[in-house]
Amino acid sequence: EAAVTQSPRNKVAVTGGKVTLSCNQTNNHNNMYWYRQDTGHGLRLIHYSYGAGSTEKGDIPDGYKASRPSQENFSLILELATPSQTSVYFCASGDELGGYAEQFFGPGTRLTVL
Amino acid sequence: GQGVEQPDNLMSVEGTFARVNCTYSTSGFNGLSWYQQREGHAPVFLSYVVLDGLKDSGHFSTFLSRSNGYSYLLLTELQIKDSASYLCAVTGGYKVVFGSGTRLLVSP
Repeated sequence: EAAVTQSPRNKVAVTGGKVTLSCNQTNNHNNMYWYRQDTGHGLRLIHYSYGAGSTEKGDIPDGYKASRPSQENFSLILELATPSQTSVYFCASGDELGGYAEQFFGPGTRLTVL
Repeated sequence: GQGVEQPDNLMSVEGTFARVNCTYSTSGFNGLSWYQQREGHAPVFLSYVVLDGLKDSGHFSTFLSRSNGYSYLLLTELQIKDSASYLCAVTGGYKVVFGSGTRLLVSP
């Protein structure tokens, strides 16, 4: 049973459109993260959350918003999508006892903005 | 500033070993993690080290030198299926900074 799931798995959007990427975890972890992965850049942190109701900016938050309505769910929102946001997006969760050492990743969402 | 550097590619032969290097320069350091990522899949956690020295976990071992900002992941008795990317990630405070990964190719 997958502990971190993401939807959709693939998405094609138009420039200027709104995109919402969803993530659900059944690990009961407090911390959740959104990353994007591009060739040559590795994983870069966009937003993260310490628990329901909290969102924090990561290293590259511009153009993205996040929402954590519950322990299980963490969404990434692109209000006005741009071609530069074409990427693979990964959601992850981790517990506090493990610190930030071990993160459990979802399968990823491939987003293409035309 | 923070930076985690890894070589882009590494090649080795089945049955031998491979050492994946990672150097880092970060404003804070809590520990260092290694992940395996197969093409088209999510990263999978392998190991976490906080103390200097070698941590032997069988097929995967990790070494850390905090004073040198250096770590390596050692894979022994390589199998073809070990071909994947290996990501180094440094944890400092709340932040986790990932390297861009080393693509390991194991040939017969």
